[in-house]
Amino acid sequence: DGGITQSPKYLFRKEGQNVTLSCEQNLNHDAMYWYRQDPGQGLRLIYYSQIVNDFQKGDIAEGYSVSREKKESFPLTVTSAQKNPTAFYLCASKSAAGGYVQYEQFFGPGTRLTVL
Amino acid sequence: AQSVSQHNHHVILSEAASLELGCNYSYGGTVNLFWYVQYPGQHLQLLLKYFSEDPLVKGIKGFEAEFIKSKFSFNLRKPSVQWSDTAEYFCAVNEGYGGSQGNLIFGKGTKLSVKP
Repeated sequence: DGGITQSPKYLFRKEGQNVTLSCEQNLNHDAMYWYRQDPGQGLRLIYYSQIVNDFQKGDIAEGYSVSREKKESFPLTVTSAQKNPTAFYLCASKSAAGGYVQYEQFFGPGTRLTVL
Repeated sequence: AQSVSQHNHHVILSEAASLELGCNYSYGGTVNLFWYVQYPGQHLQLLLKYFSEDPLVKGIKGFEAEFIKSKFSFNLRKPSVQWSDTAEYFCAVNEGYGGSQGNLIFGKGTKLSVKP
C-alpha cells in the first residue's frame, strides 16, 4: 500500500524537552510538508522541502527544525524553543514541487503532541 | 500574501438538507483551488480540485464546487447531505508564483454536523 506514515500517533513530552516526529512516504513524491493544526486555525505550514537536502521555512517555523536526507523521509523536531507545542501535526507529500501545481498534496494520519 | 476565508465556523444541518460552504481567496492571478475533508479520526483527503477548466468541478461523494473568478470564490455544494458527511472541510489555494509555488494556503475550516 502506498501512502504516508507518521509516528507516533500520540506523543507526550515534558516541558524543555526536544521531540522528533517521524514522517515517511513510499509514493516517490519529491515534495514534503509539515503542518500544524489547531482548533479553529486551519492548517499552518511549518516547513517544506521540494528536493532532498533542501528545505524552506513556512509561516510558523520558529521553534521547529527539519532534515531531508532521504527522499522518503522528512522528520520534524519540536524544540524547547517552541512556546506552545501542543497541537496536531500533519505531514504531507506531493508528486512534484513548484513546476506541477496541479498535483494535490497527500496527507498522513497525523501525530498529536501534548506537552505536560 | 494570499489568504483564504471560510465564512462559517460550524454548520449544523439535518439529513437531506442542501449544503453550501463558502470560500473566498485573495490572490488575483491564476489560481488552483482545492477542497479537502477530514472525517473524524481519518486522514485529510481531497474532495475536489479546480485547474483552469470547467468552473463547475465535480468531486467525490456527490460534492461539487463552482469557481467564480469575478467573486474570488470557490464554494462547495451538495444537494442532499447524509449523516456520514459530518466532518471538517478545508478550502485551499495554491501559491502561484516564486519559490513557494505549489504550497497550499488553507482556510480555517468549517465543521459540518449532520443530524440524523
